[in-house]
Amino acid sequence: DVKVTQSSRYLVKRTGEKVFLECVQDMDHENMFWYRQDPGLGLRLIYFSYDVKMKEKGDIPEGYSVSREKKERFSLILESASTNQTSMYLCASSLRGGQGNTIYFGEGSWLTVV
Amino acid sequence: QQQVKQSPQSLIVQKGGISIINCAYENTAFDYFPWYQQFPGKGPALLIAIRPDVSEKKEGRFTISFNKSAKQFSLHIMDSQPGDSATYFCAAPPINTGFQKLVFGTGTRLLVSP
Repeated sequence: DVKVTQSSRYLVKRTGEKVFLECVQDMDHENMFWYRQDPGLGLRLIYFSYDVKMKEKGDIPEGYSVSREKKERFSLILESASTNQTSMYLCASSLRGGQGNTIYFGEGSWLTVV
Repeated sequence: QQQVKQSPQSLIVQKGGISIINCAYENTAFDYFPWYQQFPGKGPALLIAIRPDVSEKKEGRFTISFNKSAKQFSLHIMDSQPGDSATYFCAAPPINTGFQKLVFGTGTRLLVSP
């Protein structure tokens, strides 16, 4: 069974803290994604990685960075958390190539910044 | 930049009724239009997808209808059941390259009343 695992389901952090959200997939997928989900705004892409050490900005990259040192692991970093980054964060992965591959999502990480 | 407009934002349907969710998109690099289903506390999962060499695709009670000239596609859930209560996201490919990066709609929260 395919699996995308987000290590932290619920986090509470203080404003200004550095936050790491970790994600691991076991499907040998080349592509990995970080999305942010907010009510009424849907799923917005923060960053995309198509290979180890490769990354592309998504629609809302400001205030975030990412790291992909191994194929199976993709980390989202909030350098200095702010209250407007309170949200649910979804990691996802997919195969590369072709036109339209299924994206597999993790169960999400709920982040509250106080 | 691709924009996907999804409506309605929320929907209440009686058990046994038909649920209809609509999406409109701009130009796309290729034709691939998936729908994702998300239950509370879970990540989205692929429900059904269409590559429109046909105008309709049916899987069980779920049907995608596609109107290429109008740049619209919709999800129909026949004989809606309480277990279908979830949030539904449509998605479309981006306008330019980077075809791995689907653009998602804002989501529709469906509640099927018993």
